[in-house]
Amino acid sequence: DTAVSQTPKYLVTQMGNDKSIKCEQNLGHDTMYWYKQDSKKFLKIMFSYNNKELIINETVPNRFSPKSPDKAHLNLHINSLELGDSAVYFCASRSRGRAGELFFGEGSRLTVL
Amino acid sequence: QQPVQSPQAVILREGEDAVINCSSSKALYSVHWYRQKHGEAPVFLMILLKGGEQKGHEKISASFNEKKQQSSLYLTASQLSYSGTYFCGTETVNNNDMRFGAGTRLTVKP
Repeated sequence: DTAVSQTPKYLVTQMGNDKSIKCEQNLGHDTMYWYKQDSKKFLKIMFSYNNKELIINETVPNRFSPKSPDKAHLNLHINSLELGDSAVYFCASRSRGRAGELFFGEGSRLTVL
Repeated sequence: QQPVQSPQAVILREGEDAVINCSSSKALYSVHWYRQKHGEAPVFLMILLKGGEQKGHEKISASFNEKKQQSSLYLTASQLSYSGTYFCGTETVNNNDMRFGAGTRLTVKP
């Protein structure tokens, strides 16, 4: 039973389109994150949600919007996709507190043509 | 502010040792170490909390020097399975966003 699951795993789309990536965790964790990993493997934090409240909002373009319908889900919606958005997007979760490890989803590879 | 990792890449023969370093300009609360294999998600190795400590995990151990805001990951008697990219992740004292270094690509050859 997958702890952190993301869908879709692969996404190929055209510039200008709008797309969403879904993330669900069944660990009962309170905090969830979205990370972007570019072609150079750099893991950049994008957003964090703690019990449905946004607690980090990095300086990412406002075309990116996180949405959390409940504490087990954190979806990422991207408007007007650009070539530079091509990357692997990882969802992660951790329990409340700061001594817990991050559990990552398998990643969603987004390719913008 | 993300931590700085060094070296960027390491190539080893099986059985050799390696050290990966991670440093921050901010006061740290914790340091995490993760390993990512090609095409997979990062996997947690260990966490070190402020207070300065050293931890071990099989033949992989790490230390955290709180005064210098530095951590080192030690891989001894490396195995082929150790190949991958190693990331340190840090949390500062003031907030708990986990920021990662640029990664160290470790290749272990037979």
